[in-house]
Amino acid sequence: EDQVTQSPEALRLQEGESSSLNCSYTVSGLRGLFWYRQDPGKGPEFLFTLYSAGEEKEKERLKATLTKKESFLHITAPKPEDSATYLCAVVFGNEKLTFGTGTRLTIIP
Amino acid sequence: NAGVTQTPKFQVLKTGQSMTLQCAQDMNHNSMYWYRQDPGMGLRLIYYSASEGTTDKGEVPNGYNVSRLNKREFSLRLESAAPSQTSVYFCASSEFAGGLIYEQYFGPGTRLTVT
Repeated sequence: EDQVTQSPEALRLQEGESSSLNCSYTVSGLRGLFWYRQDPGKGPEFLFTLYSAGEEKEKERLKATLTKKESFLHITAPKPEDSATYLCAVVFGNEKLTFGTGTRLTIIP
Repeated sequence: NAGVTQTPKFQVLKTGQSMTLQCAQDMNHNSMYWYRQDPGMGLRLIYYSASEGTTDKGEVPNGYNVSRLNKREFSLRLESAAPSQTSVYFCASSEFAGGLIYEQYFGPGTRLTVT
């Protein structure tokens, strides 16, 4: 069965302390990987799409990378407003998104 | 552009009552989706519509029905609500063309409590 696993479940960082979030998956024909940000009480907000191993995307303090078995969301010099839950979702052969359970990120001023 | 809109934002039902959750998108997307989000379980697909006139079951379809009213609107109906359907419901839409999978855009959610 295809699965998506995110780690850690929760992460607390000091403002300015860089780190990475992980999304690993069992592959049966990966067709795309998506990163979302979700604030409390709101819907997921799209961040990045990655389609093939070696691909990288950047936006402000965030950088997403993809290998054959996992993706990383790197956060450089985070600010308190980066606090949110970050969700990873993968599309396999059936064209439906499979979501991980997310990493809850807290940035302490 | 409003993106994806959902109504209502909050709803409390008694067991056995029925209701319809409404969703509309103004991005001219072909595909629309309904998810539920429960603590510790992530987002799970209930039903989806790849294009106007088609609907298919997702991972957790039992107890729900859907209608793709037109290209813009996709509704989710609970015929006889049960406490297990207490959840946050999200509608999403995406483009779909030539086999390439595009990102989905989500609405703000409906928080449903069944007592």
